Amino acid sequence: EDQVTQSPEALRLQEGESSSLNCSYTVSGLRGLFWYRQDPGKGPEFLFTLYSAGEEKEKERLKATLTKKESFLHITAPKPEDSATYLCAVEPALNDMRFGAGTRLTVKP
Amino acid sequence: SAVISQKPSRDICQRGTSLTIQCQVDSQVTMMFWYRQQPGQSLTLIATANQGSEATYESGFVIDKFPISRPNLTFSTLTVSNMSPEDSSIYLCSVNNGPEQFFGPGTRLTVL
Repeated sequence: EDQVTQSPEALRLQEGESSSLNCSYTVSGLRGLFWYRQDPGKGPEFLFTLYSAGEEKEKERLKATLTKKESFLHITAPKPEDSATYLCAVEPALNDMRFGAGTRLTVKP
Repeated sequence: SAVISQKPSRDICQRGTSLTIQCQVDSQVTMMFWYRQQPGQSLTLIATANQGSEATYESGFVIDKFPISRPNLTFSTLTVSNMSPEDSSIYLCSVNNGPEQFFGPGTRLTVL
């Protein structure tokens, strides 16, 4: 069965304290792995798509990496405005998206 | 990109009643997706709606409970029928634009 597991469930960081969020997956096939940011009361906001092991993508303080079994979202020197829930999703088949439960990130000033 | 709006943004409903959620996209799209996000849980796909054909439902979701309309390429509705407290959730509309998937702001439903 296709599964997506994110860890930790919640993460509290001090401003400037770098860390990583994990997304491990078990799927029959992988068309793509997606990272989203979700703020309270809003829909998820697209961040990255990764397609193959070894691929990396960056956006401001965020960098996403992908291996054959997991993906990491690295946050470098986070700021309070980075506080949000970060969702990982995999697409084992066309338009078949499987989401993880998310990591709730809090960055304290 | 795609800008998606949903109505209502939230509602409180009585058990046994039905609620229709509207989703409007600012561009024409072939497929629209309806998701449910229960408190503290991941997003779960309810169904995929194509214009001009019946919606395709995921395992565990049926048309009688979640009827969907797709009258044109920019609009869709999801009805939550004969509601129970277990239907309390956030319902999200979504579309694809190439590799990116865009979501509406969601409709927060509470069933008493």
